[in-house]
Amino acid sequence: AQSVTQLGSHVSVSEGALVLLRCNYSSSVPPYLFWYVQYPNQGLQLLLKYTTGATLVKGINGFEAEFKKSETSFHLTKPSAHMSDAAEYFCAVSASGNTGKLIFGQGTTLQVKP
Amino acid sequence: EAQVTQNPRYLITVTGKKLTVTCSQNMNHEYMSWYRQDPGLGLRQIYYSMNVEVTDKGDVPEGYKVSRKEKRNFPLILESPSPNQTSLYFCASSSGTSGSIHTQYFGPGTRLTVL
Repeated sequence: AQSVTQLGSHVSVSEGALVLLRCNYSSSVPPYLFWYVQYPNQGLQLLLKYTTGATLVKGINGFEAEFKKSETSFHLTKPSAHMSDAAEYFCAVSASGNTGKLIFGQGTTLQVKP
Repeated sequence: EAQVTQNPRYLITVTGKKLTVTCSQNMNHEYMSWYRQDPGLGLRQIYYSMNVEVTDKGDVPEGYKVSRKEKRNFPLILESPSPNQTSLYFCASSSGTSGSIHTQYFGPGTRLTVL
């Protein structure tokens, strides 16, 4: 069965520091991988996605993620955190079959300290 | 503006009182889906629809119904809500074409409390 594990339900960084949010997945088929961000009282916004091709994917707001097949990982990074990055982040993998279903991790709350 | 809208955004109700949460998208998407979000569990799919009159169960369909009579609308129906359906609900849509179906656009969410 496919699954997504996000390591760390809460991550705290100082403003200007590196942001690293970890995501590991299991999938029996080549996956599509996604990172979504959820700001307080808002819906999910797509940050970036990996489908095929280049394994380093750049997204909005300066975020990027690298697909590492050998490690079954898709970690999200940003070189320098801003206060506005404080939010909950979800990693997701496409389910096999043509159902369109996304399988989500449990989420990581990012806190940015001044 | 391309968007997915949901109504209501907040709802407090009592056990057994039927309710409907509406979802509408203006992107002419074929695929629509409902998820619920619970702390520590991420989002789980309730139902999905590949096109008009085509719906199917997701991972947690018990206690829910859906219909897809028009392409733009995909309401979620709780015929007899129970407290364990207290949750944050999201509607999502995407193009149904291969390769794009998983790139989903989410609505703002509906926070439901069942007393």
